[in-house]
Amino acid sequence: NAGVTQTPKFRILKIGQSMTLQCTQDMNHNYMYWYRQDPGMGLKLIYYSVGAGITDKGEVPNGYNVSRSTTEDFPLRLELAAPSQTSVYFCASSYPDGNTIYFGEGSWLTVV
Amino acid sequence: QKEVEQNSGPLSVPEGAIASLNCTYSDRVSQSFFWYRQYSGKSPELIMSIYSNGDKEDGRFTAQLNKASQYVSLLIRDSQPSDSATYLCAVGRAGNMLTFGGGTRLMVKP
Repeated sequence: NAGVTQTPKFRILKIGQSMTLQCTQDMNHNYMYWYRQDPGMGLKLIYYSVGAGITDKGEVPNGYNVSRSTTEDFPLRLELAAPSQTSVYFCASSYPDGNTIYFGEGSWLTVV
Repeated sequence: QKEVEQNSGPLSVPEGAIASLNCTYSDRVSQSFFWYRQYSGKSPELIMSIYSNGDKEDGRFTAQLNKASQYVSLLIRDSQPSDSATYLCAVGRAGNMLTFGGGTRLMVKP
């Protein structure tokens, strides 16, 4: 059982470049999330989805976009990367109660 | 005021001691409370959840919730060096996403 899988694990971007962080889960969870975690800080919600075709903004959505075409996949798009987007990104999923959240292993992104 | 507050630490305790981690939250309608453990360079993993006032025990871990005072705590008995990690408190409301605190770094010294 793979759980929540994120790729890539590490990436260095130049300012202004764009990229997509991939996330897939095999637990048939309706809810999926993208969080970012800055060094020494807690998790901040970027975007979330309660099901295929439905997405909504979290606490820090600026500079990001998401899509949810299938239950399994929830990619995060960074447009025009900025140094402020240097962070660790975690994809996660849960059942509809939204409480017990399962995290992927994280994607370390550096924007230079 | 942050929605979920934790002392960033580090909290240092000797091996075998009780580690006490605290968390306060601002939203009185919060209904669910969680403790996640995060090792350095790893993703958070759920270790305890609590939904009603009082204590909930699971092995060496005890979660305590006091909704009137808006705080939740985690006690780790017989602390081991392997418990050294950052502990994240998360608070949820019905139908909403979880809000995480900044985490408390725990160091258990042999």
